[in-house]
Amino acid sequence: DSGVTQTPKHLITATGQRVTLRCSPRSGDLSVYWYQQSLDQGLQFLIQYYNGEERAKGNILERFSAQQFPDLHSELNLSSLELGDSALYFCASSVTVGRSGANVLTFGAGSRLTVL
Amino acid sequence: ELKVEQNPLFLSMQEGKNYTIYCNYSTTSDRLYWYRQDPGKSLESLFVLLSNGAVKQEGRLMASLDTKARLSTLHITAAVHDLSATYFCAVDRLFSGGGADGLTFGKGTHLIIQP
Repeated sequence: DSGVTQTPKHLITATGQRVTLRCSPRSGDLSVYWYQQSLDQGLQFLIQYYNGEERAKGNILERFSAQQFPDLHSELNLSSLELGDSALYFCASSVTVGRSGANVLTFGAGSRLTVL
Repeated sequence: ELKVEQNPLFLSMQEGKNYTIYCNYSTTSDRLYWYRQDPGKSLESLFVLLSNGAVKQEGRLMASLDTKARLSTLHITAAVHDLSATYFCAVDRLFSGGGADGLTFGKGTHLIIQP
């Protein structure tokens, strides 16, 4: 157990629907990252939150949004789902130490989304 | 655009053999990370290389970093079946204002070690 908790583990839904993926970071970690992993695109960075605020954006579609709550858990919302959104979505957390320290991310087990 | 390129992307090898996975990157970062992923599982941190010339070893795996060449290698010695997995290298995502947050990953090297 990495200490990063993701729910649900598996999710099957239909095109056009909306889903929410949830992540609880490791105790003490202030940063939460969302990644999408698919066979054709590899591991793509979506978005990062630090202590409740958006810190960085990657290849996140406009149909997707995320937030980090005061208790530091995060949710990734995926709407108007398309077949191509089927993927494994990972949450990771870290203690962000800025310029000086290493940036080791601890990953959750992932949420596998299947869009039919 | 930051690029992290691994090669090979697929590797099938026999137990007992040695091999090296290469990771080239385009950033000026002097830190590099290696992760392992088993099929259907999460990513697990293997090594963190923090400076030019850094070398880390654990068991049959050894990672090194050459920041001048922007190259890291993951060397497998006397491979065993349990090392079959996908190996990713990653570098810091650098902000224009300085500082780093998050990682950019290579596409991964899918390693199969056959008895």
